[in-house]
Amino acid sequence: GAGVSQSPSNKVTEKGKDVELRCDPISGHTALYWYRQSLGQGLEFLIYFQGNSAPDKSGLPSDRFSAERTGGSVSTLTIQRTQQEDSAVYLCASSPIAGDGYTFGSGTRLTVV
Amino acid sequence: QKEVEQDPGPLSVPEGAIVSLNCTYSNSAFQYFMWYRQYSRKGPELLMYTYSSGNKEDGRFTAQVDKSSKYISLFIRDSQPSDSATYLCAMRGNDYKLSFGAGTTVTVRA
Repeated sequence: GAGVSQSPSNKVTEKGKDVELRCDPISGHTALYWYRQSLGQGLEFLIYFQGNSAPDKSGLPSDRFSAERTGGSVSTLTIQRTQQEDSAVYLCASSPIAGDGYTFGSGTRLTVV
Repeated sequence: QKEVEQDPGPLSVPEGAIVSLNCTYSNSAFQYFMWYRQYSRKGPELLMYTYSSGNKEDGRFTAQVDKSSKYISLFIRDSQPSDSATYLCAMRGNDYKLSFGAGTTVTVRA
């Protein structure tokens, strides 16, 4: 597609449930990033994928968070046993080279009730 | 203290005014500086990209970087209602992770 596609756009879940967020990057972009944007906060780095290299998971806030990227394309961010503090907008971005030319998706707005 | 500080505003200006936005940072390793614009319920989109100190102009937008003061600015001339958005500064060193400010919400009144 022309841009980064994220689904769902909105997700309301009950505390304790697991959620999966999907990101479809721009075709040909080898770098893929997940960021989290909480109300009144800047974007917070979560995880980075580059080609077939091991991902940089240093930003994941707890072991309840995990992500994978299949076939160098689509990525899924999974949050297990969701907590209210997980409520935020989860943004995915891709770029043709590491660090430059980020294109962001519109995000998934997650609300944990 | 946050690595990147940005006044969240909100900022309200009349149409045609100059909008002035700024960020300060603490990490001297930052070399690449960006400004993003984010409309409601959309992802950030890149507005300006500068490397090291200096000025860069693109149409109505001017970005300034002063590395000695660890201070960056964005100026919007002849502001339009369509410029109403949240503006985020971002920066990085020689890696791929961006560090963002909290964003400043700007409203341009017609």
